[in-house]
Amino acid sequence: GESVGLHLPTLSVQEGDNSIINCAYSNSASDYFIWYKQESGKGPQFIIDIRSNMDKRQGQRVTVLLNKTVKHLSLQIAATQPGDSAVYFCAERSQGAGGTSYGKLTFGQGTILTVHP
Amino acid sequence: NAGVTQTPKFRVLKTGQSMTLLCAQDMNHEYMYWYRQDPGMGLRLIHYSVGEGTTAKGEVPDGYNVSRLKKQNFLLGLESAAPSQTSVYFCASSSRTSWRSVETQYFGPGTRLLVL
Repeated sequence: GESVGLHLPTLSVQEGDNSIINCAYSNSASDYFIWYKQESGKGPQFIIDIRSNMDKRQGQRVTVLLNKTVKHLSLQIAATQPGDSAVYFCAERSQGAGGTSYGKLTFGQGTILTVHP
Repeated sequence: NAGVTQTPKFRVLKTGQSMTLLCAQDMNHEYMYWYRQDPGMGLRLIHYSVGEGTTAKGEVPDGYNVSRLKKQNFLLGLESAAPSQTSVYFCASSSRTSWRSVETQYFGPGTRLLVL
């Protein structure tokens, strides 16, 4: 079946450093990927997304890189701040029959990012 | 604009009891979803709805039922709660105005359920 996994379950960085969170996916038919941030006691919050016809997309302090050759996704956070401490999930979408999609996503287990002041 | 809201925030049930979790969204989204989140398991889709009056099974539907009588509400029911249903439940919604919007799911704050 489809699966999305993370290489590292935890990541600790110093404030001001850049953070890189990785994600491996197994379904080569996946065409859309999202990164979510989840703070303790809250629901997942959308960070950034990328379509499979792109290999890089930038947002505010965040960049997502997609390598379809090795089925790898990464989230880069520049100048990491204590407020970035959270669990980060990647999610993938695979097209349904006939090219339709009802938005079903498959989530990875998550990576815990801890930022030390 | 409250986004996605869920009630209750926390509930304790005894095995065999029933309850309904309510999700409401004020963004006029067509799609709504129910997930459960367990340690080390990530988010797993229970049921989803692509519009008012329609529902479909997700990855882990057993033991749950859903209804979407109104576009803005999506109810998740447990007819006979079991300890294995102890989890955090998240509701999400998304619109289908573009290829991007259908995937950008907005999540509620979650409901913590403990079944004894």
